[in-house]
Amino acid sequence: EAQVTQNPRYLITVTGKKLTVTCSQNMNHEYMSWYRQDPGLGLRQIYYSMNVEVTDKGDVPEGYKVSRKEKRNFPLILESPSPNQTSLYFCASSLTGSGFSYGYTFGSGTRLTVV
Amino acid sequence: AQTVTQSQPEMSVQEAETVTLSCTYDTSESDYYLFWYKQPPSRQMILVIRQEAYKQQNATENRFSVNFQKAAKSFSLKISDSQLGDAAMYFCAYRSALYSGGGADGLTFGKGTHLIIQP
Repeated sequence: EAQVTQNPRYLITVTGKKLTVTCSQNMNHEYMSWYRQDPGLGLRQIYYSMNVEVTDKGDVPEGYKVSRKEKRNFPLILESPSPNQTSLYFCASSLTGSGFSYGYTFGSGTRLTVV
Repeated sequence: AQTVTQSQPEMSVQEAETVTLSCTYDTSESDYYLFWYKQPPSRQMILVIRQEAYKQQNATENRFSVNFQKAAKSFSLKISDSQLGDAAMYFCAYRSALYSGGGADGLTFGKGTHLIIQP
């Protein structure tokens, strides 16, 4: 089954403790992206990657890191999480070029709480 | 930067009736893609329907159809014969057809419309 797999689905952590949210896709998509969803704000892009070793900032990159060492994986790293990073996070992937017209495939989301 | 506006935070419709969700967007580009995503309580983001700006014909997927007005920059979603399973948040999204390189690149979402289905 074609899918984007995120782990974990739920995470509660303490301020300052480094964490990684994993994302993997099995569709050979070049493009991958991370979004956060907050009430009343919709979804906002954190980082994206056009291909292996190519990453760039989205609208809200502060406090986050990403890497794209393999085509299928795109982990999101919070080096020192703070309470304002409490949110619902989505990983997504898509084809590029005219393939963008097919939209993104989203993971199931990670509910992160930082206390 | 592109913006997407959904002016209806919440809509309610009787089961089996028709409802239309509004979406407008602001862009200076001529080539782009528009999408409606559904987010049920399971929080999964599900693609409902998509439209390519160069196509004049409105997209249709079973009970879901759009009214795409390019000049007016409007992209409304019509749900016919509403069912209980249609209850969800609906997000309108825009994507440029071109990769601009550097800076934000990706789907731009509206803030969503919460659709309630009355039995």
